[in-house]
Amino acid sequence: DAGVIQSPRHEVTEMGQEVTLRCKPISGHDYLFWYRQTMMRGLELLIYFNNNVPIDDSGMPEDRFSAKMPNASFSTLKIQPSEPRDSAVYFCASSTLAGGPRDTQYFGPGTRLTVL
Amino acid sequence: AQSVTQLGSHVSVSEGALVLLRCNYSSSVPPYLFWYVQYPNQGLQLLLKYTTGATLVKGINGFEAEFKKSETSFHLTKPSAHMSDAAEYFCAVSTNTGNQFYFGTGTSLTVIP
Repeated sequence: DAGVIQSPRHEVTEMGQEVTLRCKPISGHDYLFWYRQTMMRGLELLIYFNNNVPIDDSGMPEDRFSAKMPNASFSTLKIQPSEPRDSAVYFCASSTLAGGPRDTQYFGPGTRLTVL
Repeated sequence: AQSVTQLGSHVSVSEGALVLLRCNYSSSVPPYLFWYVQYPNQGLQLLLKYTTGATLVKGINGFEAEFKKSETSFHLTKPSAHMSDAAEYFCAVSTNTGNQFYFGTGTSLTVIP
C-alpha cells in the first residue's frame, strides 16, 4: 500500500489567497483525520471523518477553515482567506473501521504551508 | 476525559546510552496508549501501542514501553541509543469508548556522538 498521500508537500502563498490541501487515505480505511502542527501549539486535531461524514470539527480554528470528504478516497482542507498565522504543517491520517478512531492512525508526510 | 503529559520537551543522551522518555496519562477508563516517532520533515510513524494484554510492549527499532496502571505511566525505553534515533517522540492516549486520540506535546531526542 502506498500509505496516506498528501499534496502538495509544500505550499507558499500570500495572505488572502485560498489554499486547498489534499489527502488520499489508505484504501479500506474508514476514518480520516486532519491535524495541524506548529512549534507553539504542537499537534492539534482539526477535524475527523467517519465514512465520509464529519464527526467532530471542534478543532477547526475558525470559519476560514473548511474540510470535505466527497468520497472514501479523497479529502480536502481549505483555508479561505489564508493568514500568516495559518503557517504550519498539516497532516492527514487514516485508520480502519475495526479499530475506529481510537486505534492506530497512519499519517501522511504532511503539507508544509507558508503564508506570506 | 483523557490527557497525556510528556515530561521533558528535550532529552539528550550519548550514543550507546539508555533512552528513557516519560509519558503519564489521565483516563477514567482503561486506556489505549501509543508512542509515535517523527523524523525531520516526515509524518508520524507508530513505534508501539498498548491496548490490552501484556503490559510490556515491544516496538520497532528496539524500543519498548511498559504500561503501569498504578503509576498511570507508559514510559518509552531503549537500552542503547543510536544516532538514527534522533527524532521527535509523541505519546498518545485513547480509549475503547472514545472518539479520538490525545497527543502529548512531544519530546525531542538528541543523540550525542
